[in-house]
Order: sequence, then structure tokens, then C-alpha cells
Amino acid sequence: DSGVTQTPKHLITATGQRVTLRCSPRSGDLSVYWYQQSLDQGLQFLIQYYNGEERAKGNILERFSAQQFPDLHSELNLSSLELGDSALYFCASSSDAPGETQYFGPGTRLLVL
Amino acid sequence: ELKVEQNPLFLSMQEGKNYTIYCNYSTTSDRLYWYRQDPGKSLESLFVLLSNGAVKQEGRLMASLDTKARLSTLHITAAVHDLSATYFCAVGRIGNQFYFGTGTSLTVIP
Repeated sequence: DSGVTQTPKHLITATGQRVTLRCSPRSGDLSVYWYQQSLDQGLQFLIQYYNGEERAKGNILERFSAQQFPDLHSELNLSSLELGDSALYFCASSSDAPGETQYFGPGTRLLVL
Repeated sequence: ELKVEQNPLFLSMQEGKNYTIYCNYSTTSDRLYWYRQDPGKSLESLFVLLSNGAVKQEGRLMASLDTKARLSTLHITAAVHDLSATYFCAVGRIGNQFYFGTGTSLTVIP
């Protein structure tokens, strides 16, 4: 158990809908990262938050957005969903100390029908 | 854009054999991470390599880093079935962003 929690575990929705994925980092970790894992794209970095502020953006679509709240939990919002958004979405956290690894949550499996 | 390539993508090996997974990356970094992912599961951190020449070992797995060659290796010694998984390398960059390789799917055959 990495200490990172994600909800829900599974999500089934329809095209055009909007969903919110939630992540709670390990105790004490200030950085939260979101990744998308799909068969054709592999593991893609989406976005990073550090102590409530956006720090870096990766391959995140404009239809996707995220935020980190004062209690450090984070939410990833996916809107106008398309079939191709079906994937496993991971949240990871780290202390952000130099060289510190990232600890991954169990993931949310999203299926868009 | 930083590229991280792993090879092979798929590896099928017999129990008891040795093999090496390679991770090449396209830009300067002195931080390299290895992860393991079991089917349908999350990623588990295996090794953190933070300097040129770093070598870490855990059980039958040994990882090394050559920053000048921009190459990391994950060596498997006397493979056992429990090592079957997908192995990812990740290169660390400024801001602690990680760029992941394509993954190597390892199957150890009894």
C-alpha cells in the first residue's frame, strides 16, 4: 500500500459526459501528479500540482483540468468525454525532495461508452 | 522533447536464466527510476538511481545508471515466475516531473 488513495476505482460513463476523479496523497507529500495509461499511448504525464499551485503541464487535453485543494487532495476533471478517453488514470504523490520517487495510487479505470 | 525508450518491449524468458532490460533517454538527467506494474495494478517503485555509476540491487534485480551514455539497465538474475510483470523506467527532470519509458512486459516461463 503506497498511502495514496484514489476514488472511484471504476467509472463507466457515456460520451459527452463529465467526470471527476479524486486523489489523496500520502501524508506529508505536497506534490500530486496525474497520469493517463492506455494501451496505445502508454503512461502519459498529465499535470502536476505542488502545495495547491499548478507546477507543470504535460500532455493534458484542454477538456481536462485539475486542482489541488488546501488539504492537498486533488481532483482531475474530464469533460466532453470521448471514447478515446477510456484509460486508467493514476495519481502519484511525492515529497518533492530531490531524487524522491513518486508513489502511485491504485488508479481509476474509466470506460467511456 | 525528452524521449525514453526501453527495449525489448516484450521479453519471454525461462526460469533460471539471466537477462537485461535497457532504458535509453534523449536528454541530460541524473535521476532514473524503475517501477514494476502487475496486470491491472498500480506502479510499485523498485529503484531510485541518482548519480552516474549508481548501482542498486534488490533480490534478483539489479539496476545501474550511466548518465554519460544516457542509459540505465535492469538486470534479472536467475529469473523466477514471480518476476513476471511490466517494468518501466522513468527519467526525472526539473520540478520532479517524470517521463516514462514504453515499458517491458516480462513473462517468466516455468
